[in-house]
Amino acid sequence: SAVISQKPSRDICQRGTSLTIQCQVDSQVTMMFWYRQQPGQSLTLIATANQGSEATYESGFVIDKFPISRPNLTFSTLTVSNMSPEDSSIYLCSVEPYSPDTQYFGPGTRLTVL
Amino acid sequence: GQQVMQIPQYQHVQEGEDFTTYCNSSTTLSNIQWYKQRPGGHPVFLIQLVKSGEVKKQKRLTFQFGEAKKNSSLHITATQTTDVGTYFCAGPPMRKGGSEKLVFGKGTKLTVNP
Repeated sequence: SAVISQKPSRDICQRGTSLTIQCQVDSQVTMMFWYRQQPGQSLTLIATANQGSEATYESGFVIDKFPISRPNLTFSTLTVSNMSPEDSSIYLCSVEPYSPDTQYFGPGTRLTVL
Repeated sequence: GQQVMQIPQYQHVQEGEDFTTYCNSSTTLSNIQWYKQRPGGHPVFLIQLVKSGEVKKQKRLTFQFGEAKKNSSLHITATQTTDVGTYFCAGPPMRKGGSEKLVFGKGTKLTVNP
């Protein structure tokens, strides 16, 4: 299966600051996905990132709060801007390396905002 | 919008007992997938079902996709402590053209008493 890494694996941040999360895949993929998983909850899609175009955001998520970069077919970043304690979550990137809808997730970034 | 519901939310069993989780979608799905997330881990893809009425087995795990493609189940025979985790179902609605996002159920958290 695809090997996906994320940096950082966890972080504790102060309110009002920003954190950029990196996602690296060991193969070229068309789409990369960013999810949020709040404590004890399910996964919520934040946005879909295609290389060479702007990310597509889901309802409730905006580019100013969660800017995304997708500079090439193996890498993406998600920035959580102007953080508040409500942003404390696990942030996961995922890819579909083999077939549509079958997603493989990175190990996640566990973010705590104080 | 599409909703995917899972029951039960929690299930505690004695090792050796069977376990079943059920997934119901408010709309017809083009396919359904199951993921397992161990405590402190990230979701791991288990299987995808595509055909109406499809049944697939992976060792002690049996997956079913309903005839109407709106519901699914995961059954584990003779649970082991290694089965502990949260099981999520996920599916995109039937496509009318273009990509549809994957919607995750809230998950069933399984604990196993040794």
